[in-house]
Amino acid sequence: GQNIDQPTEMTATEGAIVQINCTYQTSGFNGLFWYQQHAGEAPTFLSYNVLDGLEEKGRFSSFLSRSKGYSYLLLKELQMKDSASYLCAVREPPWNQGGKLIFGQGTELSVKP
Amino acid sequence: DGGITQSPKYLFRKEGQNVTLSCEQNLNHDAMYWYRQDPGQGLRLIYYSQIVNDFQKGDIAEGYSVSREKKESFPLTVTSAQKNPTAFYLCASSHRGVRNQPQHFGDGTRLSIL
Repeated sequence: GQNIDQPTEMTATEGAIVQINCTYQTSGFNGLFWYQQHAGEAPTFLSYNVLDGLEEKGRFSSFLSRSKGYSYLLLKELQMKDSASYLCAVREPPWNQGGKLIFGQGTELSVKP
Repeated sequence: DGGITQSPKYLFRKEGQNVTLSCEQNLNHDAMYWYRQDPGQGLRLIYYSQIVNDFQKGDIAEGYSVSREKKESFPLTVTSAQKNPTAFYLCASSHRGVRNQPQHFGDGTRLSIL
């Protein structure tokens, strides 16, 4: 079956580093996306991984291990505005026909002063 | 500016009533999607469309219907058969044939029962 697991909640301190993990078991894999969603708003795209390794984009980095079915999102120098839900999503093949996304439940991150 | 517009932002449904949620995009995307989000849960796919005049059921299509008569538009009808329609509905779109292209989301419609 299709399953994507993320921690439900995390708390971190302003200025610190936090790692949000995502494990997946899906029938196919054509890339993993991370989205940020503030309460009551639309999800916004953060990162995409399809090959193993680390992708860095400013304060945010994302890592993928396909053999382990595992990804993480790393947020550095946390700011209060980073308080949001972080969604992990796996794209099913075939990618060149749009490709359905399967979403995890999201991780609610609270950044404290 | 290009983007996805969902309307209305808030919608109330009476018992036995069908309601239609609008989704329009000017990003020239071929693929469009409808998701439902319940409190504390991830997004669940209702319907998706890869091309005009074609659409497929997602994981929770029962009680919903869609049409795709124009590339820019993908309206969702919540029928009276959907017994628990209260949720946040999100529309998204994406390019086809470009591997790393993410789905872009509208601002959502919050549907409640009167």
